[in-house]
Amino acid sequence: GAGVSQSPSNKVTEKGKDVELRCDPISGHTALYWYRQSLGQGLEFLIYFQGNSAPDKSGLPSDRFSAERTGGSVSTLTIQRTQQEDSAVYLCASTWTSGSDNEQFFGPGTRLTVL
Amino acid sequence: DAKTTQPPSMDCAEGRAANLPCNHSTISGNEYVYWYRQIHSQGPQYIIHGLKNNETNEMASLIITEDRKSSTLILPHATLRDTAVYYCIAFHGSSNTGKLIFGQGTTLQVKP
Repeated sequence: GAGVSQSPSNKVTEKGKDVELRCDPISGHTALYWYRQSLGQGLEFLIYFQGNSAPDKSGLPSDRFSAERTGGSVSTLTIQRTQQEDSAVYLCASTWTSGSDNEQFFGPGTRLTVL
Repeated sequence: DAKTTQPPSMDCAEGRAANLPCNHSTISGNEYVYWYRQIHSQGPQYIIHGLKNNETNEMASLIITEDRKSSTLILPHATLRDTAVYYCIAFHGSSNTGKLIFGQGTTLQVKP
């Protein structure tokens, strides 16, 4: 099990539906990040988990967005009542700690399309 | 985290060195310079990082000026597979919970 994995790779949903996106970080990594990337744009930070500490939710765009990290490993990003502007690639990254000398390893992303 | 400035696009001939500049004039003493790249339809990939000294790994070299206000990423022998968006990020892990702040990056087009 090498890198960060995400599922599904693609998700098409109708406006108003809820979606769940999954991230499996690299084993042993304690820090986990969610970002999103809208078409033609740079990455936008969403939420951060570090061990058992309270997550940093400062990047979540609205209360329709939430995320959990169970057992310090797998994370799920949930978007309720999806809107068309939620369409983007959602990227997960993990690293050992949030220190300055640690690279973040990114997953391939989930492409979400809201019709 | 310090803001970085990069040219929006660059071309490079296959087999030649690609030199990608980055300005980070407001970088603080404890911020590292990180480079990532994103090949089309993939997640970002770490390339290299440094604090003060020049760094080299199997992918690239990073040259940081003595005043740390700018840096250059060097791909010594660019291939077509190096075509990607390259992001320069000034980063301190303990601030802002270690989240990376991506700008628009430089789109490098390697041409045959």
